[in-house]
Formats: sequence, C-alpha cells, structure tokens
Amino acid sequence: GESVGLHLPTLSVQEGDNSIINCAYSNSASDYFIWYKQESGKGPQFIIDIRSNMDKRQGQRVTVLLNKTVKHLSLQIAATQPGDSAVYFCAESLYNFNKFYFGSGTKLNVKP
Amino acid sequence: NAGVTQTPKFQVLKTGQSMTLQCAQDMNHEYMSWYRQDPGMGLRLIHYSVGAGITDQGEVPNGYNVSRSTTEDFPLRLLSAAPSQTSVYFCASSYSASGSRELFFGEGSRLTVL
Repeated sequence: GESVGLHLPTLSVQEGDNSIINCAYSNSASDYFIWYKQESGKGPQFIIDIRSNMDKRQGQRVTVLLNKTVKHLSLQIAATQPGDSAVYFCAESLYNFNKFYFGSGTKLNVKP
Repeated sequence: NAGVTQTPKFQVLKTGQSMTLQCAQDMNHEYMSWYRQDPGMGLRLIHYSVGAGITDQGEVPNGYNVSRSTTEDFPLRLLSAAPSQTSVYFCASSYSASGSRELFFGEGSRLTVL
C-alpha cells in the first residue's frame, strides 16, 4: 500500500547501530505515553509505554526516556535491524482519560 | 483470534454518497475508537466508545457518526462524503481494566472521495 510517511522526517541508520527517535509532546498534564511502530500498509503496533512517574522504561531492544521538564520523549532501539524500518509515532494521554494524541511520526530507514 | 477486523479495505465514493466502515473485535475489549490518518500526519481521533451504548467525540468528529450496540462492533458512518474525508481510517480497541492502555489497531480502510 501507499506509504503514509511521504513527508515525514527521516532517520537513516546503519544496520547494527543504535537508533534514537525523538518526540515533543504538547500537554504538560499528560501522564501516559506510548510508542507505536507502523509498517507500510499496516496498522500501528504497540512498542512500549511509560507513565509520568517514571523517567525510563526498558523493553526488548527498546528503551523509552521521558523528560517531563522539557516535554520530551525518546525511543532508543539497540542494534537496529532491517525489520525495524517503519514509521514510529509517539502518543500522549491522560491515563484515566480516553483520548490519545499522536505525533506526526518519524520514518526510520535501516541500511544493510 | 482475529483481533481487530476492518471492512472494506478500500472504497471509492462520490461526493455526497454515504457509507459505513465496519469494525469488529473479538478480544472482549470495552474501549473502541476510530482514527483517521492523512499523509505526513499522525492519527487523529474521530470518535470513541468506552462500552456498549456509550460513545463520545474525539478531535475531528464532524461528518461522522458512530454507534455501539454490542461490545464487538463499532461502525463508522459517513453521512455525506466530502473530498476532505479522503483518508486512511483505523479502528482500535483496548481493554480498559488492564494496566496498559495499549491500543490494538486494525489494518486500515483506505477511502477516496471523488
């Protein structure tokens, strides 16, 4: 299907390197954040989440860092693989609320 | 489990026509929602539901209707399609009672309005 990342900021990394994808969120009251991965022609897939009472959370090959002072979120991917090539979105919410607000996304290209 | 199933995957409409995008989930999720995704943009929330019989508006609700008569189904209706509604639509569901608010997305429905 047609890529939804035609006009997105792009990060190009070499296979095996670490990737860092950044996201600025808008609402200082947001207390819950999620990173999603979207491959071309597919729906977004959950990667990792973090609540505002944490600064860092680790998953398998991924780490999310939260800096509430500057309203900044980052996703670190270790040993990036070709299968990591996709568009990555952050989303913010109030944990007990029912609306998620998504960023515009970053396209990750992994070069073999 | 099929997860979240959306139909149709592709649809072309003329301006003024109406149609319904179907969404069904088999995970017994209480929360369901509809997003639209336009090129170079993130997803924007159209409508959501926290359970059967309960719906509410998101960021961009105008031109769309929803209903939630069962836990499994959450159809999105376009009453009079406009070219501005050309987009990719995603349905997502979540189990509200879990610690994570992870959204499970369908594969998307690509709509073109001429």
